[in-house]
Amino acid sequence: DSGVTQTPKHLITATGQRVTLRCSPRSGDLSVYWYQQSLDQGLQFLIQYYNGEERAKGNILERFSAQQFPDLHSELNLSSLELGDSALYFCASSVASSTGELFFGEGSRLTVL
Amino acid sequence: KNEVEQSPQNLTAQEGEFITINCSYSVGISALHWLQQHPGGGIVSLFMLSSGKKKHGRLIATINIQEKHSSLHITASHPRDSAVYICAVFYNTDKLIFGTGTRLQVFP
Repeated sequence: DSGVTQTPKHLITATGQRVTLRCSPRSGDLSVYWYQQSLDQGLQFLIQYYNGEERAKGNILERFSAQQFPDLHSELNLSSLELGDSALYFCASSVASSTGELFFGEGSRLTVL
Repeated sequence: KNEVEQSPQNLTAQEGEFITINCSYSVGISALHWLQQHPGGGIVSLFMLSSGKKKHGRLIATINIQEKHSSLHITASHPRDSAVYICAVFYNTDKLIFGTGTRLQVFP
């Protein structure tokens, strides 16, 4: 158990819909990272938050947004969903940025029909 | 060309064999991670390196910053080592780039 909790584990929805994925980091970790893993693209970095503030942005679509709350949990919002958004979405946390060990959640599997 | 290249893409081995997976990168980095992903999907961080060498049980990871290269070695491989091994680098402060992964199968 990494200590990182992601919900929901599985989600099936339709095109055009909006979903929210939630991540609770390991106790004491200030950084939260979001990643997308699709069959054809591998793992892609989406966005990182550190202590409530956006720290780095990767290949995140404009239809996607995220935030980190004062209690350090984070949410990834995916809107106007398309078939190609079907993927595993991972959250990871670390104590600090870039040089800290990463702890991954089990992922949220999103299926868009 | 990907900024992070792994080789080989696929690897099969007999139990007990010594295994090496290589990772080359083309950007300046602050740290490199080796990750393990089992068929169920979960990802575990094996090592974080910024220089030198680290060892944990049968796993050894090395990095050469000047040559922009890292290797992951598995000694006395076992079927339970079967997984996808992913190299990932932190560059430009907090952006993480992943390699495409090496799929390892170890047969008894």
